[in-house]
Amino acid sequence: QSVLTQPPSASGTPGQRVTISCSGSSSNIRKNTVNWYQQLPGTAPKLLIYSDNQRPSGVPDRFSGSKSGTSASLAISGLQSEDEADYYCAAWDDSLNGVVFGGGTKLTVL
Amino acid sequence: QAQLVESGGGLVKPGGSLRLSCAASGFTFSDYYMSWIRQAPGKGLEWVAYISSRSSYINYADSVKGRFTISRDNAKNSLYLQMNSLRADDTAVYYCARAANHYDTSGCDYWGQGTLVTVSS
Repeated sequence: QSVLTQPPSASGTPGQRVTISCSGSSSNIRKNTVNWYQQLPGTAPKLLIYSDNQRPSGVPDRFSGSKSGTSASLAISGLQSEDEADYYCAAWDDSLNGVVFGGGTKLTVL
Repeated sequence: QAQLVESGGGLVKPGGSLRLSCAASGFTFSDYYMSWIRQAPGKGLEWVAYISSRSSYINYADSVKGRFTISRDNAKNSLYLQMNSLRADDTAVYYCARAANHYDTSGCDYWGQGTLVTVSS
């Protein structure tokens, strides 16, 4: 049972816009910034979004993040086949005094 | 370009010990907080521990507290994870990762390739 809640799966067709939600609480998402990771099959996770909505250099602007209250979202526009991966949200949790992750969302490009 | 390379994984019996290492290069290791994060086969990511740049601040997930010890040697650009009293549910790929900012250890901008630890009799 993950502290942050994500849907286990999401899907879309090429060119579509897809959003992935991440639900937390006042001890994590409300108080602290949210980060998103992309994990392609058989590889290490890659930082996709940091500080709620910032993209590291090299990450396409098709990827965007937002946060409101105790929830955050990752949006992917202009969906491409190479976006098929697992996506994880993460944040610091003040009550647990540690990092918490979402359970991950498997994105399928139909 | 920053690079992290883990080593030390392998097969160990329940109750046994293992020490993981992570060699850092391409950046000033002593400036960054570091974390260990693991992923059980077919499962999601689980944070294990973090250590501040000068080892002043250390914290562990409840699941490993009292059994695992994180440490670093800035002179050797290396991060370590000493794992004792290993259990079957510690079986996972263990990643070392660099925190992009000291104020948010959940944002890791560089990860190693991971090292597999299998706990089985």
